[in-house]
Amino acid sequence: IAGITQAPTSQILAAGRRMTLRCTQDMRHNAMYWYRQDLGLGLRLIHYSNTAGTTGKGEVPDGYSVSRANTDDFPLTLASAVPSQTSVYFCASSEVAASTDTQYFGPGTRLTVL
Amino acid sequence: GQNIDQPTEMTATEGAIVQINCTYQTSGFNGLFWYQQHAGEAPTFLSYNVLDGLEEKGRFSSFLSRSKGYSYLLLKELQMKDSASYLCAVRDSNYQLIWGAGTKLIIKP
Repeated sequence: IAGITQAPTSQILAAGRRMTLRCTQDMRHNAMYWYRQDLGLGLRLIHYSNTAGTTGKGEVPDGYSVSRANTDDFPLTLASAVPSQTSVYFCASSEVAASTDTQYFGPGTRLTVL
Repeated sequence: GQNIDQPTEMTATEGAIVQINCTYQTSGFNGLFWYQQHAGEAPTFLSYNVLDGLEEKGRFSSFLSRSKGYSYLLLKELQMKDSASYLCAVRDSNYQLIWGAGTKLIIKP
């Protein structure tokens, strides 16, 4: 069982380019999340999805979009990348979006926007 | 605003005990989580507290006081592999996790 996979592992991107970060889970979890992690800051939620077909905005959604066409996949798209989007991006999933539910994280994508 | 505070960095000796504190101010409370994150890796779940008191899991224990907005993670019999960042997170009234910046724990021989 792979758990959660993310692709690519790392990417250097020119400003203004479009980029999609991929996330796939094989645990049949209902809820999925995208976070960014920057030095000196806590993980910040970008977007989330409580179940396939629904998405919601997190703390820092501007410049990002997501879709949840099925249970397993939750891609994150940067429509026109800017240098401030340089970060490590983590995808996570949980069985349900409930108080006791634990989130499991993918290995992350390190993105550099020049 | 919502805020999670934890020390930026701590140093401890192999074999010793260390306590990592976390204080929080959030809109609502639906549980507190501790995660471990080794450098360059993903966070992994350590513990969950929703009621006041101590939860023990092997060498790791986590304590919660909801009235004080306070938690700590206690690591006993420290090993070199415990060198990592420890992240405190609170689930708020919207069931979203609010994360602290993490405490980098350095273990010295």
